[in-house]
Amino acid sequence: DGGITQSPKYLFRKEGQNVTLSCEQNLNHDAMYWYRQDPGQGLRLIYYSQIVNDFQKGDIAEGYSVSREKKESFPLTVTSAQKNPTAFYLCASSSGEASWTGELFFGEGSRLTVL
Amino acid sequence: AQRVTQPEKLLSVFKGAPVELKCNYSYSGSPELFWYVQYSRQRLQLLLRHISRESIKGFTADLNKGETSFHLKKPFAQEEDSAMYYCALSPSGSARQLTFGSGTQLTVLP
Repeated sequence: DGGITQSPKYLFRKEGQNVTLSCEQNLNHDAMYWYRQDPGQGLRLIYYSQIVNDFQKGDIAEGYSVSREKKESFPLTVTSAQKNPTAFYLCASSSGEASWTGELFFGEGSRLTVL
Repeated sequence: AQRVTQPEKLLSVFKGAPVELKCNYSYSGSPELFWYVQYSRQRLQLLLRHISRESIKGFTADLNKGETSFHLKKPFAQEEDSAMYYCALSPSGSARQLTFGSGTQLTVLP
């Protein structure tokens, strides 16, 4: 089954703890993205990566970190520095710059709740 | 920096009526514009892109550079069109990423 797989679907965290959200794709896409979705605010870009071992900050990168050691994987760590981490997180991938169509393929999302 | 504005959070129309979902953008260059849709219990997916000038599921959208708008239209709404719709912008240049609007929840009433 091809596509984007995010895990876990639901995650609870205590304040002060870091948590890592997993995102894996088997579409052979070069680019991967993390968005945060809050009611009434749409999707806001956290980080994106155009190629392995490279990534750029999006609009709301503070309190988050990522890595891109493999083409298939783009994990997101929500650190304790993120002031309001309770949200729905979406991962996406797309073909690289050379064949950019604007089509992002999204995962089902991960809902993080900080207790 | 670019910005996408969708002024309507909620929009309800009756089946068979025309529907227009508004999208305005601000960007100094020549952007690419898109509409994405999320049906209930499904993943967010691309609906259409302005560069293709295509009609998908009866929806069309025209890029109006003078008014910086990219409104989504359908002449006769169907109940299965009920969904969350997001307008998105990709800036020109090498940074291939999308900026999304806040979304409009469309409900088509029977």
